[in-house]
Amino acid sequence: QVQLVQSGAEVKKPGASVKVSCKASGYTFTGYYIHWVRQAPGQGLEWMGRINTNSGGTNYAQNFQGRVTMTRDTSISTAYLELSRLRSDDTAVYYCARGYDSRGLDYWGQGTLVTVSS
Amino acid sequence: SYELTQPPSVSVSPGQTASITCSGDKLENKYTCWYQQKPGQSPVLVIYQDSMRPSGIPERFSGSNSGNTATLTISGTQAMDEADYYCQAWDSRTLYVFGTGTKVTVL
Repeated sequence: QVQLVQSGAEVKKPGASVKVSCKASGYTFTGYYIHWVRQAPGQGLEWMGRINTNSGGTNYAQNFQGRVTMTRDTSISTAYLELSRLRSDDTAVYYCARGYDSRGLDYWGQGTLVTVSS
Repeated sequence: SYELTQPPSVSVSPGQTASITCSGDKLENKYTCWYQQKPGQSPVLVIYQDSMRPSGIPERFSGSNSGNTATLTISGTQAMDEADYYCQAWDSRTLYVFGTGTKVTVL
């Protein structure tokens, strides 16, 4: 069965960086994009970007350009999200999800809470 | 940037039909998806490509997209359908955008 398992919760200080992992299993990792979506406490979903797990090519939402880096390691079927220059309003649950264009995001990780606090 | 607007809340009686709208400029030119999210859980895809249901999603969930509005319809709403619902649009230029979200309450 398809599973996306994310790394554990993180607490970071403002200005620091965070790296979240997303390990995929149950399907051919390079056959789908991995997307990253975040949700601030009590707020809606916000698309951050995606990585083509085959080529490594990325597309980032404008709000995160310059602060976000998405990478992958195909040898261990794992995708990574790194967000730099953290601010308090980056406190959120970060989700990875599998997707392919118009077919939507059909499998999601369990989410990783990132707390930014001094 | 492209924006999708949803009503903040929708209330429905058990067994009745709930309709959730999602508005965006020329939305019919994009593909839409819908996600259900219950408290403390990850979102679940309930509709993709405007009106397609993923495997395992009940037939009471249906979708449409015309003009500037996409609609998620829940027929014969059950208590278990109480959740937040998000629309999402895709095209090759805009990529992905989520709507503002709608809380569905089953009274």
